[in-house]
Amino acid sequence: AQSVTQLDSQVPVFEEAPVELRCNYSSSVSVYLFWYVQYPNQGLQLLLKYLSGSTLVKGINGFEAEFNKSQTSFHLRKPSVHISDTAEYFCAVTPIIQGAQKLVFGQGTRLTINP
Amino acid sequence: NAGVMQNPRHLVRRRGQEARLRCSPMKGHSHVYWYRQLPEEGLKFMVYLQKENIIDESGMPKERFSAEFPKEGPSILRIQQVVRGDSAAYFCASSPAGFREKLFFGSGTQLSVL
Repeated sequence: AQSVTQLDSQVPVFEEAPVELRCNYSSSVSVYLFWYVQYPNQGLQLLLKYLSGSTLVKGINGFEAEFNKSQTSFHLRKPSVHISDTAEYFCAVTPIIQGAQKLVFGQGTRLTINP
Repeated sequence: NAGVMQNPRHLVRRRGQEARLRCSPMKGHSHVYWYRQLPEEGLKFMVYLQKENIIDESGMPKERFSAEFPKEGPSILRIQQVVRGDSAAYFCASSPAGFREKLFFGSGTQLSVL
């Protein structure tokens, strides 16, 4: 089974400051990794994903994440945040197993950008 | 190209009533997933369906919950005899050909049980 831990439930940041949202996972098999964003009263939108290849993944809206297999982490970063980045961010994994279909999500991190 | 459409956006039910949540996948997608988000928690997988087939229902509560995805029409998540603990946001996602790395989520249905 897989589990995902997002170490911070809330992260307040000033506008134009850098931010890092932390995600650690546990799995006995290799996984695909994802970051989703949920704006207020909306569904989830894919920010970025790691399937294979380069461990540094770039996504939409200036976000990037780095897969670290030895530390089982997939932290999300942005060098300079904007007010519009205020949202809930979810890290998720899915095992690379034939037939596996479900994503396992972390508890979410609420990012609040202050002017 | 419309995205994943869920309706209603908000549903209020009294304890003991039935709740029906609908999901129309993106055009060309024949695989549907239902997730539930309890307050202050992440999304939890409930069920994965293809047209006319339930593929994985390992996340569905054993009683009162059912899901279907008929040949024609939207996918339906049905909750019988709702209880307060069923209050949550229910999200549907769809993908082409069962590629879980290409999921598109709807805006969800917020179920409130009084």
